[in-house]
Amino acid sequence: GENVEQHPSTLSVQEGDSAVIKCTYSDSASNYFPWYKQELGKRPQLIIDIRSNVGEKKDQRIAVTLNKTAKHFSLHITETQPEDSAVYFCAASISGGFKTIFGAGTRLFVKA
Amino acid sequence: DAEITQSPRHKITETGRQVTLACHQTWNHNNMFWYRQDLGHGLRLIHYSYGVQDTNKGEVSDGYSVSRSNTEDLPLTLESAASSQTSVYFCASSGGSGNTIYFGEGSWLTVV
Repeated sequence: GENVEQHPSTLSVQEGDSAVIKCTYSDSASNYFPWYKQELGKRPQLIIDIRSNVGEKKDQRIAVTLNKTAKHFSLHITETQPEDSAVYFCAASISGGFKTIFGAGTRLFVKA
Repeated sequence: DAEITQSPRHKITETGRQVTLACHQTWNHNNMFWYRQDLGHGLRLIHYSYGVQDTNKGEVSDGYSVSRSNTEDLPLTLESAASSQTSVYFCASSGGSGNTIYFGEGSWLTVV
């Protein structure tokens, strides 16, 4: 079955710097890769996603890149702000909306 | 507004007892999922369902069961609670192919 690995487990950056979180997946059939943000005590919420027919997607300060050949995908947050502090999860699934396997999460701290 | 709700939100139970966590969604989604969240492990899939009478085992299904008698509900039962099942449990749902997975607010379960 699918296995998703996520690195780093903890990331600390200064406000205004960029943050990058990397994930790898094992199942070449996976073609949908969402990213979720979870604030302390809250539920995970989708922030951005990418499908295998595109290599990059941007939404304001966040972007995701996908390398299908290497089975790598990454989340990039630019101009980080204290409110970006949270746990971020990458995930992989087939088609989206079906069985979705998550990475272990990255706890991001943005220092003011 | 459509929503996905879990109950109870917090529960303490004793080892060996049967526990049921309820999940109810008003999105009319076909797909429903149960995940557990533990530090260092992220979100791990317990069971999932793609429709009424359909249930499937996830990554960590031992000791858990689900049933799907209608579209709205997917209760999760711990047959004989163990301390290793102390965790935060998230129910989630999606409308199917290409759709976002939405999470409930979580149920904090402590087994003593």
